[in-house]
Amino acid sequence: NAGVTQTPKFQVLKTGQSMTLQCAQDMNHEYMSWYRQDPGMGLRLIHYSVGAGITDQGEVPNGYNVSRSTTEDFPLRLLSAAPSQTSVYFCATNLMGRSYEQYFGPGTRLTVT
Amino acid sequence: DAKTTQPTSMDCAEGRAANLPCNHSTISGNEYVYWYRQIHSQGPQYIIHGLKNNETNEMASLIITEDRKSSTLILPHATLRDTAVYYCIVRPLNRDDKIIFGKGTRLHILP
Repeated sequence: NAGVTQTPKFQVLKTGQSMTLQCAQDMNHEYMSWYRQDPGMGLRLIHYSVGAGITDQGEVPNGYNVSRSTTEDFPLRLLSAAPSQTSVYFCATNLMGRSYEQYFGPGTRLTVT
Repeated sequence: DAKTTQPTSMDCAEGRAANLPCNHSTISGNEYVYWYRQIHSQGPQYIIHGLKNNETNEMASLIITEDRKSSTLILPHATLRDTAVYYCIVRPLNRDDKIIFGKGTRLHILP
């Protein structure tokens, strides 16, 4: 039981490049979400999903796309990376009805130059 | 969700109890108090939650005032591994949408 996994752990992109951050969970949790965390700031919600085929925007969705084709996977896509997207990205999951108990992945540290 | 106010940082000596306060004066009747923590470079970790009664688990205790306008997270015997940012969140229990994290309290455990 791996819990919540994220790949890659580290990534450097040039401005304008695209990439996908991967998040996978094997806990059969319906709810998944993406956060970003910048130095000295708390976590800010980017996008979330309450189940396969359903996604919605969080606080800071601009510049990011998501999709949820399976329960297990919730990839985050950067279509055209910008230096302002340099951050640490965390994926989180929880069972529906237990949103107080989210499980977070180890994070992806992204640098955009 | 109700707004929360936490001190920016706190120190605590190793082995002593760490008491982390949180003000939530606009809390409404169906909102719970949750606590998470984030150890450096790791994802946040759920600690405890409560409505109005005091709660205790293997990690911590949560004391909520009778008027529910404030609460305190207590780590009974703090260790160096408890050095982290602690987030107090107020929201309805079974609302399955976004959780908004504030800036939290940076707790330093001193040897």
